[in-house]
Amino acid sequence: KQEVTQIPAALSVPEGENLVLNCSFTDSAIYNLQWFRQDPGKGLTSLLLIQSSQREQTSGRLNASLDKSSGRSTLYIAASQPGDSATYLCAVRPHSGAGSYQLTFGKGTKLSVIP
Amino acid sequence: DGGITQSPKYLFRKEGQNVTLSCEQNLNHDAMYWYRQDPGQGLRLIYYSQIVNDFQKGDIAEGYSVSREKKESFPLTVTSAQKNPTAFYLCASSVRQGPSTDTQYFGPGTRLTVL
Repeated sequence: KQEVTQIPAALSVPEGENLVLNCSFTDSAIYNLQWFRQDPGKGLTSLLLIQSSQREQTSGRLNASLDKSSGRSTLYIAASQPGDSATYLCAVRPHSGAGSYQLTFGKGTKLSVIP
Repeated sequence: DGGITQSPKYLFRKEGQNVTLSCEQNLNHDAMYWYRQDPGQGLRLIYYSQIVNDFQKGDIAEGYSVSREKKESFPLTVTSAQKNPTAFYLCASSVRQGPSTDTQYFGPGTRLTVL
């Protein structure tokens, strides 16, 4: 059964710092991996989606990488801002077969950017 | 504005009562999902539906029921058989099911508390 782990569970950085969030998964047979942002008491917002054939995706100050063979993904946030404070979740979709619709989520990393 | 709406935002239930959570989308998406989120936990899939009048169980379907009579609507009923219903419930939708490049779009959530 696929397991997704995000370390650390919480991270606090000063404003302006570059940072990396980590996501690891146990089964490399994935179709894609998504990074989401969740603000307190709110729904999820999709940030980046990486297909299994891709190595990275970029959107503004965000860059997500994927190393499928080692079961790892990172989310790099450049020049962090207080508005980036939120919980970041990663989720993987299996490659095929029964349950290929089903995302498996990590527990998230709670990021606090201190002004 | 296109999007997903969930109502109510907060819901209180007495033990032994059934309650229904509403989810509506005007994105013309085929697939809809219900997730449960507990504090410090990742999202877990309750039910999903690929098309009207069809739905499948996710990992934690016991004590829940759904219907999909219209493409736009996917209500979730939390029955008295659900032993620990207090949680944050998230509805999502996507363009299509199966191994594809679809991204799931989430509603704002409903927080259910059992009194």
